[in-house]
Amino acid sequence: DSGVTQTPKHLITATGQRVTLRCSPRSGDLSVYWYQQSLDQGLQFLIQYYNGEERAKGNILERFSAQQFPDLHSELNLSSLELGDSALYFCASSALTGGNEQFFGPGTRLTVL
Amino acid sequence: AQKVTQAQTEISVVEKEDVTLDCVYETRDTTYYLFWYKQPPSGELVFLIRRNSFDEQNEISGRYSWNFQKSTSSFNFTITASQVVDSAVYFCALILSGGYNKLIFGAGTRLAVHP
Repeated sequence: DSGVTQTPKHLITATGQRVTLRCSPRSGDLSVYWYQQSLDQGLQFLIQYYNGEERAKGNILERFSAQQFPDLHSELNLSSLELGDSALYFCASSALTGGNEQFFGPGTRLTVL
Repeated sequence: AQKVTQAQTEISVVEKEDVTLDCVYETRDTTYYLFWYKQPPSGELVFLIRRNSFDEQNEISGRYSWNFQKSTSSFNFTITASQVVDSAVYFCALILSGGYNKLIFGAGTRLAVHP
């Protein structure tokens, strides 16, 4: 158990809908990262927050947004969902930034029908 | 360009065999960090090791060992006396210095250990 929690574990929804994925980092970790794992793209970095502020952005679609709250939990919002958004979404956390190991949550499997 | 290549898509071995998973990385940065993660069938990503670019010492942890060679830009992972529980997808990853802390993952190597 990495200490990172993610909810829900599974999510099934329809095209055009909006969903919110939630992540709680390990106790004491200030950085939160979101990754997407799909069969065609592999594991891709989406976005990083550090102590409430956006720190780095990857290939995150404009339909996707995230935030980190004062209690350090983070939410990833996916809107206008398309079939291709079906994937495993991971949250990870690390103590600081700059090359520290990242510990991953169990992931949320999103299925868009 | 920064890139991680795991040329072995799938490896199949019989229990107790030794197996090496290859990882080759590309970067022009002099400061970077290399990682290995394990993804068992249950799906979670498990951190195994972190190495910075200034530390080329090989590391051994139980049946696991890692060989980091800057001269060939490789960071290979060897499992000695493999066990069925080692069956998983293994990912090599890279973080560059400069404030962007994103993990750049390779495509992964699926290891199947048969009894």
